[in-house]
Amino acid sequence: EPEVTQTPSHQVTQMGQEVILRCVPISNHLYFYWYRQILGQKVEFLVSFYNNEISEKSEIFDDQFSVERPDGSNFTLKIRSTKLEDSAMYFCASSFGLEGDEQFFGPGTRLTVL
Amino acid sequence: RKEVEQDPGPFNVPEGATVAFNCTYSNSASQSFFWYRQDCRKEPKLLMSVYSSGNEDGRFTAQLNRASQYISLLIRDSKLSDSATYLCVVNGRGGSYIPTFGRGTSLIVHP
Repeated sequence: EPEVTQTPSHQVTQMGQEVILRCVPISNHLYFYWYRQILGQKVEFLVSFYNNEISEKSEIFDDQFSVERPDGSNFTLKIRSTKLEDSAMYFCASSFGLEGDEQFFGPGTRLTVL
Repeated sequence: RKEVEQDPGPFNVPEGATVAFNCTYSNSASQSFFWYRQDCRKEPKLLMSVYSSGNEDGRFTAQLNRASQYISLLIRDSKLSDSATYLCVVNGRGGSYIPTFGRGTSLIVHP
């Protein structure tokens, strides 16, 4: 069964550093997403991506964040100048269509900012 | 009012019990609705979509009430493996498509 993969599973970084979280969506999917879940809190939408551009983003997704699809398979989330409050689980997801289509989530990357 | 609201629980039920969760949403323009299941420290996984006519998948039944802006999930004959957090997800429409998750309802099924 096809699945979304994410690397690394756990990333530890120092405050102020830049991190890149990587995702490989399911190959025939067209929409890609990043979500964040702070420990004990709800899953929060960050950004959706379609046709090589951002289609939606939340107020959380400010200039500190960027996304890229550098090749035909990877989808990355870059967080610049990390802050303590960026510590969270980051989930990548993909779907074939948009509304009404199931989103398949990756296993997540746990980011710890020290 | 929160966009998507759920009773956090936990709901603590014995095996074989029937349990129901509700979720209310504030955006009347919302068009698609889902229940996801999330195990501890794992990713959310789709349990079922929720259709206007209601839908059933084995022991699970989902209902949508647009007038009152809530969706429900009914689990019959609970199994130990049903223990998880159940997330309500609501997708909007009309210029903005941003899926909104509820905080989740925790279910613990005990022997």
